[in-house]
Order: sequence, then C-alpha cells, then structure tokens
Amino acid sequence: DIVMTQTPLSSPVTLGQPASISCRSSQSLVNSDGNTYLSWLQQRPGQPPRLLIYKVSSRFSGVPDRFSGSGAGTDFTLKISRVEAEDVGLYYCMQATQFPYTFGQGTKLEIK
Amino acid sequence: EVQLVQAGAEVKKPGESLKISCEGVGYIFTRYWIGWVRQMPGKGLEWMALISPGDSDTRYNPSFQGQVTISADKSISTTYLQWGSLKASDTAIYYCARRGPQERTFDLWGQGTLVTVSS
Repeated sequence: DIVMTQTPLSSPVTLGQPASISCRSSQSLVNSDGNTYLSWLQQRPGQPPRLLIYKVSSRFSGVPDRFSGSGAGTDFTLKISRVEAEDVGLYYCMQATQFPYTFGQGTKLEIK
Repeated sequence: EVQLVQAGAEVKKPGESLKISCEGVGYIFTRYWIGWVRQMPGKGLEWMALISPGDSDTRYNPSFQGQVTISADKSISTTYLQWGSLKASDTAIYYCARRGPQERTFDLWGQGTLVTVSS
C-alpha cells in the first residue's frame, strides 16, 4: 500500500496569515496515464469531508481561491493564503493512483 | 440538488448483520463510481470499497475484503455496504462518496451513517 505522511499533524495559525500542509507518499503518484491522482479534503468539525483540490492542483467547484495545491511525484503541498475562521478543521491528502486508495493521517488546523 | 443520502444511525449487537444504504440524487447514478470510507471515533479516513453501479464492478481494500460486501441497485440509484456479523470494532461513521470517472477523486460525500455495535 502507498503510505501517505502529512506534516505537521497540528497547525496553529493566526487569522489572516498563511498556512501550509505537506503530504509525502511512499512512492510516486504518477499514474500510467500521466495523471497524478492526489487530492486534498477538508473536514470541518461534525461534518463529512469535502473535496478542495484534485489532481494535485485543480481547485474543485466552489472552493475559495485562497486554497491552492502544488507538488509532483511524491511531495505535495496544500496552501491557504489567508486563513479564515471557517477553515478550522482537519485536512487530509488522499491518493487514488493505486489501489487501495489511502489517506494521510490528517492535519488539524486551528486558530491561535 | 445533487446529493448522496444516507440514514443517520444504526445500533446493533455484536454478531448481528447490517446493511446500510446510500442513495444518489440529482445526477446520472451509473456515470459515477461510489466508494465507502470508514472513520472510527476520533480517527482518520480509511477507504473500504468501490463499486461501479452500472455494471457492479467492484474493488476492495484488502484490509476490508471478506469483512464487508458492497453492492448496488441501479434501478433505485442506491449503493449498499453490508456486514454478516458485526463486531464492536466496527463502531464508526461510514461515509459514501462519489468518484468521478476522469478525475478519480471523491467529489461528493454523504452525511455519514453512525454505526454503533454494543452489547
């Protein structure tokens, strides 16, 4: 199985400041079709997960443009340009390049 | 409105069977795969299984193969996850999620079904 490792596991951030979460995979996520199936999901407290970013850097419909994704191969990053109060929650990376699909452990974003 | 509709909660005893459902509403059901994801209390997300409702092609996470069965009834736009004999360790929230054919990501999630297994 591909192991997804996120850092940090907890990220206290000041409102209006940027935040960054890293995700590293145990092997390359480049698929044989040339695509890299790395997604980022947000889970607010008491809510189901919500898709933010897919295929490394494509922002899903309705997601604010303060969220961006980057990376390649085995190293990926989710950035929030200016954290807002509604961004509090857990963030997961997920790979769908190879079965079984696997998630990172989750990173808790909280306000300082 | 496009959504995945799940029942809220189930309470069962160890050894009992269970089948939970996920109805796709507002989109062409057979165009998307449906997956099930487990979230144990206070823990992260684990992908369990995936099904193509159009032809019932399935994929399982080896960690869950033999423990659960995924199925679909396209005539009523519904996907199921079932257990033959529940254990206390099956206590969790189970989410269904829609996977697009091209993007290969879970773009739509149900609200989750809380399954509690307790004697």
